[in-house]
Amino acid sequence: GENVEQHPSTLSVQEGDSAVIKCTYSDSASNYFPWYKQELGKGPQLIIDIRSNVGEKKDQRIAVTLNKTAKHFSLHITETQPEDSAVYFCAASMDNFNKFYFGSGTKLNVKP
Amino acid sequence: EPEVTQTPSHQVTQMGQEVILRCVPISNHLYFYWYRQILGQKVEFLVSFYNNEISEKSEIFDDQFSVERPDGSNFTLKIRSTKLEDSAMYFCASRASGETQYFGPGTRLLVL
Repeated sequence: GENVEQHPSTLSVQEGDSAVIKCTYSDSASNYFPWYKQELGKGPQLIIDIRSNVGEKKDQRIAVTLNKTAKHFSLHITETQPEDSAVYFCAASMDNFNKFYFGSGTKLNVKP
Repeated sequence: EPEVTQTPSHQVTQMGQEVILRCVPISNHLYFYWYRQILGQKVEFLVSFYNNEISEKSEIFDDQFSVERPDGSNFTLKIRSTKLEDSAMYFCASRASGETQYFGPGTRLLVL
């Protein structure tokens, strides 16, 4: 089955700096890659996603890039703010979107 | 904004007891999911449910687990005879016809 690896497990940045979180996947049949943000005491919330027919997608300060050949995708957060502090999960899914395979999560700490 | 809700937020039970975790998916959604996250580990897929039947399940989802949509709004996960290793955060998710899964806040289950 699919295996998603995520790095780093923790990331500490200064407010205003950029943060990058990377994921790799193993199954070339995966074609949908969402990113979720989980704040303390809450469930994962979708922040951005990308389909395999697209190489990059941007939404304000957040962007995701996908390299299908290398089977990796990354989350980029620019101009980080303290409220960006949370655990971020990447995931991969195939055509039916019936099952998400999650990475192990990255705890992002943005220091004021 | 509509959201997935889950009850209870915390559940403590004795090994061997039955537990029922409840979820109210977003009202016009058609696909329903349960995931679990053991402390310090990845979020893992358990089961997907569509049109009143299981569409996919993982190896974790053995005969001790069952799901049900007893009425038009609730979606439940039952664990018949809990084990210590069932202690985890259980997330319910739902989606409409698109690819995005919306997650609830989770139920933290502790089996003693």
